[in-house]
Formats: sequence, C-alpha cells, structure tokens
Amino acid sequence: DVKVTQSSRYLVKRTGEKVFLECVQDMDHENMFWYRQDPGLGLRLIYFSYDVKMKEKGDIPEGYSVSREKKERFSLILESASTNQTSMYLCASSLDRGSGYTFGSGTRLTVV
Amino acid sequence: DQQVKQNSPSLSVQEGRISILNCDYTNSMFDYFLWYKKYPAEGPTFLISISSIKDKNEDGRFTVFLNKSAKHLSLHIVPSQPGDSAVYFCAAARTNSGGSNYKLTFGKGTLLTVNP
Repeated sequence: DVKVTQSSRYLVKRTGEKVFLECVQDMDHENMFWYRQDPGLGLRLIYFSYDVKMKEKGDIPEGYSVSREKKERFSLILESASTNQTSMYLCASSLDRGSGYTFGSGTRLTVV
Repeated sequence: DQQVKQNSPSLSVQEGRISILNCDYTNSMFDYFLWYKKYPAEGPTFLISISSIKDKNEDGRFTVFLNKSAKHLSLHIVPSQPGDSAVYFCAAARTNSGGSNYKLTFGKGTLLTVNP
C-alpha cells in the first residue's frame, strides 16, 4: 500500500513564525498535493506539483509556498504564520486517476 | 464559485437502512468523480469512483450513481453500519485534457451518522 507520511500530527506555532510542514510518499508518485480542511469549507487546494521542482498554485495559495526538490517529498511553507492559518493540513499523492489520491493522516496546526 | 456541492451538511440513518449521500456539480468538463470517507483526526480514504462514461459503479455495500444530464451523483450505502459514521466528501476531476495528471475539486462534505 502507498504510504503518505506527514512529519507532525500536531503543531503549535506563534504568529509570525516560519513554519515547515513535511510530506513524504513511498510509491514513486509524480503528483503531490497540499490541502487544508476547515469546518464548513471542506478541502481546499493550496498547491500541487506534478513533477520535481514543478509547482502550481491551487485555490488558496496566499501566505503559502512549497518546495519539491525530490520526487518523494513535498513541503508546505507558511512564510509568516497567522492565526487564520490554524487548520488541518492534508498532503496527498496520486499515480493516476484510477487510484484516486492517497492522503496522509494530516497535521493539525494551531497558530497562537 | 463552488463547483462541487454537497448540500446536506449531515445525515442520520438507522443501522441496516440505506444511506444516500448526494452531490451536485456545475462544471460540465468534469469527467471523473470520486467519494472519500474521513474519520476525525485521520486523512480521507478513497472509497469509490466513477467515470463519466458510466452511470453506475458498485463495490460491495457502496454504489455510486451518476446522472450527467442533471450533473448529479449519489453514493448509496446498503446496509448502513455504525462504522460507516464519518464525513463523506464528493470530488470531481477534469481528466479529458490529456495525460494522467489531474487535480480534484472537493465538496464541503456530509457527516453521516449511523445509529445502532
């Protein structure tokens, strides 16, 4: 089975801090995604990547950046954390459309 | 503009009965649809999918129906079990632009509660 691992389950950070969320997948998937989940808003796409060093903005990229230096790792960066970035962050990877996405367990980030 | 809509935030059914979760979409270019299930503090897990060339796909207790003319799909769970209690997300993709790359657009989710 494909495994998508997010480095932290829970994080508490202070306003203004630079925050790194790490995601690693072990099945050589080309496609990787970062979503955030908020009550009443569902899953919203922040950034995605179809290849190493390639990235594209999703629906809500403001305040975020990403890095994909290696195929298996996709990092989400909060340049200067703000309280409205308190959320559940979900990383996903996919091989092709038949298999759908495989999600990590999520990182619950609280910005105080 | 919300392209994938799940208009029922919650649904409650009795164990053994049928659960029907609905989803509407507005983008006629979507040609692939998926359902995901999510438990609290876990990532969503893929449940079932359907291509726009089909109108039904079945996997055990789960069946997805697609009505392209109405831009509507539904997930049927029969019989419902307490372990099915979770948030269900509908998702859609446009894959007809070529290649295997695509991104999913998700609905807001429906919380299903199956009562024993």
